Amino acid sequence: QITLKESGPTLVKPTQTLTLTCSFSGFSLSTSGVGVGWIRQPPGKALEWLVIIYWNDEKRYNPSLKSRVSITKDTSKNQVVLRMTNMDPVDTATYYCAHNAINYDFPDFWGQGTLVTVSS
Amino acid sequence: DIQMTQSPSALSASVGDRVTITCRASESITSDLNWYQQQPGKAPKLLIYSANSLQSGVPSRFSGSGSGTDFTLTISNLQPEDFATYYCHQTYGTPYTFGQGTKVEIK
Repeated sequence: QITLKESGPTLVKPTQTLTLTCSFSGFSLSTSGVGVGWIRQPPGKALEWLVIIYWNDEKRYNPSLKSRVSITKDTSKNQVVLRMTNMDPVDTATYYCAHNAINYDFPDFWGQGTLVTVSS
Repeated sequence: DIQMTQSPSALSASVGDRVTITCRASESITSDLNWYQQQPGKAPKLLIYSANSLQSGVPSRFSGSGSGTDFTLTISNLQPEDFATYYCHQTYGTPYTFGQGTKVEIK
């Protein structure tokens, strides 16, 4: 059974760096074809794809955020870490991590999401 | 970026109705189109992948069709648990993008 869960701060100040951890079980990020990505959703708005990391450490970024976003994996801990620098109130959103279907690029299992508010 | 446009943005329907939601891509995405259902306060749930493949465990009243730029999600015999927001999502080219959503409400 695949499960994912996001953790991190619920409130960050403008200009600070956000660090979110996705802890997962039921699969390994060392298995060929596996990927874990991040998607966010501002309150009342649509979903926005941010970034994905694959089993072979390949990373794909949303160009609109590439200068601010980084993603890393710790295979031994079954974790993926998202970092986003220079946070702004417009970055207030629920952040989801998700498992990508093997050898596909769409998420098939999602975490419950974590709401991050950016405010001074 | 590939823009995904859903229509309508919202619709009202009754239990038992047949509902159709359309998604149009700004360029051809072949069949790399997926559909998600999102209940309020919950994470999205995968319904359809690769335009017309039903995800395991999803009721057969959900179906998808289309290729290229025009896609459709159909819900036949609408059930109370189907009132939610639906999103299309292209995975043809990065950045992968979502439609703006279609809210299905109770008439």
